[in-house]
Amino acid sequence: NAGVTQTPKFQVLKTGQSMTLQCAQDMNHNSMYWYRQDPGMGLRLIYYSASEGTTDKGEVPNGYNVSRLNKREFSLRLESAAPSQTSVYFCASRVTGNLLRDGYTFGSGTRLTVV
Amino acid sequence: KNEVEQSPQNLTAQEGEFITINCSYSVGISALHWLQQHPGGGIVSLFMLSSGKKKHGRLIATINIQEKHSSLHITASHPRDSAVYICAVPELIYNQGGKLIFGQGTELSVKP
Repeated sequence: NAGVTQTPKFQVLKTGQSMTLQCAQDMNHNSMYWYRQDPGMGLRLIYYSASEGTTDKGEVPNGYNVSRLNKREFSLRLESAAPSQTSVYFCASRVTGNLLRDGYTFGSGTRLTVV
Repeated sequence: KNEVEQSPQNLTAQEGEFITINCSYSVGISALHWLQQHPGGGIVSLFMLSSGKKKHGRLIATINIQEKHSSLHITASHPRDSAVYICAVPELIYNQGGKLIFGQGTELSVKP
């Protein structure tokens, strides 16, 4: 099925461990995003990539790095996980420059717990 | 003051009721998005609109650009409509990244 695929769906890390959240879309979308969602905070942008080869910081980038490997894939890396990074992470993609098809598609989320 | 504000934050309705969720924004926008997040966590894009009204099934979204206000209506509500509804606007159009600014969400519970 076409859409945004995130892996893993669940993950428990120990403080200081590293991991990479994977995201891939097969809709040929230009822009991709990583958000985190915390109770009472809503969705907050971590990093985004407006197009292949570019990445930019969002609202809460500290402690994260990203890679736009190609047009399909946009990964989020936690180099040294901290309990404050316990959250639900969503990847999203969007086609830009086409008002008829504009819209966001979200992945199903990754529930990350750092202990 | 948040750039995107929704009301109410929580809403409980009886099955069959007509529901309205409001969204006000203070930034200039090219379009406004309504999203739905079910208790399982998945987020679905319901509407993207830049003027007037859009309808999909029992859902209707309207926007008034001059007043910087949008509403999401649900007719003949059903328990399966229970979800969090989120209003979001992209940053100004010159930002090709299209980053979204989110409202706080409205948690809707429809009782049978």
